[in-house]
Amino acid sequence: DQQVKQNSPSLSVQEGRISILNCDYTNSMFDYFLWYKKYPAEGPTFLISISSIKDKNEDGRFTVFLNKSAKHLSLHIVPSQPGDSAVYFCAASGGSYIPTFGRGTSLIVHP
Amino acid sequence: KAGVTQTPRYLIKTRGQQVTLSCSPISGHRSVSWYQQTPGQGLQFLFEYFSETQRNKGNFPGRFSGRQFSNSRSEMNVSTLELGDSALYLCASSRGLAELYEQYFGPGTRLTVT
Repeated sequence: DQQVKQNSPSLSVQEGRISILNCDYTNSMFDYFLWYKKYPAEGPTFLISISSIKDKNEDGRFTVFLNKSAKHLSLHIVPSQPGDSAVYFCAASGGSYIPTFGRGTSLIVHP
Repeated sequence: KAGVTQTPRYLIKTRGQQVTLSCSPISGHRSVSWYQQTPGQGLQFLFEYFSETQRNKGNFPGRFSGRQFSNSRSEMNVSTLELGDSALYLCASSRGLAELYEQYFGPGTRLTVT
């Protein structure tokens, strides 16, 4: 049973537009959420995180939104650039819960 | 600061053999976690070591084991390899407990079992 779900395996966006990647979780005990980006032949790279006491965290072009009541988080990339093309994983953890990853969303940004 | 390093990068083994993978964390990081990544399955947590002690273990058979040394370097061992063990094995380090801090991943070891 997947506790962290990324329901869109892939997303295609035009350069300069907004990319929105979504993630749902089922365990209400998770209180720390992270996004990682992965290029082929490399390990995942930490992108941005948010704790459950906040509903938004921003870092440059990347913003993560957390909706605790819906158990949903999203990553917004504005504006999207071709170099953002990668697989994005969301992860949830907290308390005694080990980091649990979604299966990833492949983002393709077209020039 | 040097990143997480993993050796070897690629490995081909035969069913029934055993394999040991190595991971050197970022300097100062005391937590090392191991993950298995297979197509369509995302990252599956194997175990976490902190200060040479295994803190958590994922839902994997006992054939998968690991250890951490006093310098925080970690090794992962898989005995009696099966075809299904073919995967990318990722090591990640963090400055504190994995559930509280972001993790920094190595490039992974690609294991192929034939």
